[in-house]
Amino acid sequence: NAGVTQTPKFQVLKTGQSMTLQCAQDMNHEYMSWYRQDPGMGLRLIHYSVGAGITDQGEVPNGYNVSRSTTEDFPLRLLSAAPSQTSVYFCASSALGNQPQHFGDGTRLSIL
Amino acid sequence: EDKVVQSPLSLVVHEGDTVTLNCSYEVTNFRSLLWYKQEKKAPTFLFMLTSSGIEKKSGRLSSILDKKELFSILNITATQTGDSAIYLCAVTGLDSWGKFQFGAGTQVVVTP
Repeated sequence: NAGVTQTPKFQVLKTGQSMTLQCAQDMNHEYMSWYRQDPGMGLRLIHYSVGAGITDQGEVPNGYNVSRSTTEDFPLRLLSAAPSQTSVYFCASSALGNQPQHFGDGTRLSIL
Repeated sequence: EDKVVQSPLSLVVHEGDTVTLNCSYEVTNFRSLLWYKQEKKAPTFLFMLTSSGIEKKSGRLSSILDKKELFSILNITATQTGDSAIYLCAVTGLDSWGKFQFGAGTQVVVTP
């Protein structure tokens, strides 16, 4: 099984550009989340979804958009990239709301 | 708002030493606490704890939860260089189903 697949693995953007980070899972998990990881700050929740068509904000949602049109896919959109969004982004999924999450390998994003 | 504090933030030990990592939390209607290990890329799941006083064990790693004092401990005995990683603690509550609050993590370095 592929598990959770994130693309791209690396990306460099200029300030003001927009882009979409892709996340797909093949485990039929209802729950999916996006996190960003910065040095010394652990994982901070950006947005999460409890099923297709349902999304909610996490701790740091500003500047990011999500949608969940299918169970498998949960893309994260940066509307207008800013240097403060330079980070490593992780997508995760779980079968139930309190169960261990499976993580993708991350996307390293640099905003110049 | 849910809160997770991990300590220490980092430590360096010699192979064969025992390591104790701490995770204290505040969460409304606590449901579960999870430990993850993060080496180079994605965090991988170690333990999930829901009941107080019951030790979870896997090889040289063990963890216990104290729901009265609101903390958990992760122990690693006879450390090896392969234990070098960031150890992350996360909590979720009944009121935050599908939403996990992570701590900042503890960076463990095991030297030969």
